[in-house]
Amino acid sequence: DGGITQSPKYLFRKEGQNVTLSCEQNLNHDAMYWYRQDPGQGLRLIYYSQIVNDFQKGDIAEGYSVSREKKESFPLTVTSAQKNPTAFYLCASSPTPPGQGYTFGSGTRLTVV
Amino acid sequence: DQQVKQNSPSLSVQEGRISILNCDYTNSMFDYFLWYKKYPAEGPTFLISISSIKDKNEDGRFTVFLNKSAKHLSLHIVPSQPGDSAVYFCAASGWGSSNTGKLIFGQGTTLQVKP
Repeated sequence: DGGITQSPKYLFRKEGQNVTLSCEQNLNHDAMYWYRQDPGQGLRLIYYSQIVNDFQKGDIAEGYSVSREKKESFPLTVTSAQKNPTAFYLCASSPTPPGQGYTFGSGTRLTVV
Repeated sequence: DQQVKQNSPSLSVQEGRISILNCDYTNSMFDYFLWYKKYPAEGPTFLISISSIKDKNEDGRFTVFLNKSAKHLSLHIVPSQPGDSAVYFCAASGWGSSNTGKLIFGQGTTLQVKP
């Protein structure tokens, strides 16, 4: 079955450490996205990529970095510069143009202690 | 600047009644609108969409209405069921704008359907 996989489901890190969240899709979608969900703020776009080896900042890119070396993979690194990293992170993919919209992964809950 | 707004954070309805979730947008370049449903600790799942060339789209118990002049869309769920209890996100996209097709989401509305 085609889908989008995020791992791990839960992640704990100490403050000041960088951490990388994995996102893999086998839907042959060109575009991939990272969103962050916080209570009362909906889904906010961190980074997106519409093609391999290219990506753009979203609305809240500060403190995050991404790479898109393969079509199937779009990992997100939460750096120590991110001031409030504890959140639920969602990865999504879509064809270009989005047509029927995005397919989302099941999310990663990151807790920084 | 919030381009897609869901002004009601929560909604509670009785089982069997109609649920109406509202969404407003400000960017006239948006030409495609979607609703997603999300359970806690899961990713959102696509529910229903509508193109700007239509004013209504129906899929079973779910109907989305679009009023372009008012820049307003709504999702109607009839009849509401307890399993519909979730967070509902409205989203919009538009090619030819600075959005380059990416989806802009509202803040979400938490629907509770009481048995």
